[in-house]
Amino acid sequence: DAGVTQSPTHLIKTRGQQVTLRCSPKSGHDTVSWYQQALGQGPQFIFQYYEEEERQRGNFPDRFSGHQFPNYSSELNVNALLLGDSALYLCASSLEVGRTEAFFGQGTRLTVV
Amino acid sequence: GDSVTQMEGPVTLSEEAFLTINCTYTATGYPSLFWYVQYPGEGLQLLLKATKADDKGSNKGFEATYRKETTSFHLEKGSVQVSDSAVYFCALSDRSNYQLIWGAGTKLIIKP
Repeated sequence: DAGVTQSPTHLIKTRGQQVTLRCSPKSGHDTVSWYQQALGQGPQFIFQYYEEEERQRGNFPDRFSGHQFPNYSSELNVNALLLGDSALYLCASSLEVGRTEAFFGQGTRLTVV
Repeated sequence: GDSVTQMEGPVTLSEEAFLTINCTYTATGYPSLFWYVQYPGEGLQLLLKATKADDKGSNKGFEATYRKETTSFHLEKGSVQVSDSAVYFCALSDRSNYQLIWGAGTKLIIKP
């Protein structure tokens, strides 16, 4: 079992650009959540996807959007990047039935310059 | 809204010392409580959890008890090792939506 995999591991973008981050959930998991972790802080919930729909959303602007595919993998898109978007972006997967605990990927380190 | 407060770090201890990392929470319902650990350069790993009051979660020598009366979930270990050096996060999830609410993290440094 490969666990939760995220790509790319590191990324450097320029202000104003757009970025897409990808996540493959743990085998058998159907729910994907995305978190933003700024340096030295705890993760902040961005949104959660289940059955290809955004089910919950945290306090993030519309520049942050996502998608879940039929195979349960997911993408996080961020438009019009700001310097403050620089962070570690974490993907977590879980199983809806029984509300199992979340398993996290290694994260994607995004740097906006 | 729901929130989690952890003791600030870094916490520096000698090997074989006793560890306590304090965590308190505010929640309107009856959340599940978690401790996650983040080793340098790695993602978050679930260390232990408790889903109801008075439950004790334990793993790898670490323990934490869900105390509803004091709204606390303190992490303890009787004898720490250098390999325990990491950042520890306390988190809660509301039973209705499973969104995780996190503390700021506590960096633990164990010296040989």
